[in-house]
Amino acid sequence: ETGVTQTPRHLVMGMTNKKSLKCEQHLGHNAMYWYKQSAKKPLELMFVYSLEERVENNSVPSRFSPECPNSSHLFLHLHTLQPEDSALYLCASSQDPPRGGPIRTDTQYFGPGTRLTVL
Amino acid sequence: DQQVKQNSPSLSVQEGRISILNCDYTNSMFDYFLWYKKYPAEGPTFLISISSIKDKNEDGRFTVFLNKSAKHLSLHIVPSQPGDSAVYFCAASPTGNQFYFGTGTSLTVIP
Repeated sequence: ETGVTQTPRHLVMGMTNKKSLKCEQHLGHNAMYWYKQSAKKPLELMFVYSLEERVENNSVPSRFSPECPNSSHLFLHLHTLQPEDSALYLCASSQDPPRGGPIRTDTQYFGPGTRLTVL
Repeated sequence: DQQVKQNSPSLSVQEGRISILNCDYTNSMFDYFLWYKKYPAEGPTFLISISSIKDKNEDGRFTVFLNKSAKHLSLHIVPSQPGDSAVYFCAASPTGNQFYFGTGTSLTVIP
């Protein structure tokens, strides 16, 4: 496996279900991201993990819960979602400079996304 | 409030001609700009970037121009090829982890 992989590629769930999205990066990067792509809307940054610490939480509802057990894996746990949460969820990774180093000017490598439908 | 805007949802260009994709932003704190290309059923892939200290960056057939006073950047593809048909996202970042994306422009290059 190379690059950034995401599973599942498609997910249909009811509003009372609990599911998880998985992302894995094989690039040796130290930062990982979750984005949401809704139809006709800009990509929305949801969470950023850098060196396994969450450094950004973009006012995301608590029904989305991220987990980063190590620098290669990122999960998005889903619980009691709403139909408006139906979207493409993209994972990305990048290589952050060391803390105190140069400002991040990273390019991000994206996974193929998980197409989520909430019924 | 949308801080990065791509006002043209679609663009069609004849093969061999120039494609010009435009992007406007509102936040004067943005200092790094990127273009991504996205094919159907795939994640966006990085294409080209520019920092605010420059006004032009070129990579092969792709050139990005930055006009800081107008808060405008553009991506030029010349000559355009059918394989360039994709959705192009503009993204901007102030210093830090936050990235803001436009809604994308769907480019169709007609053979």
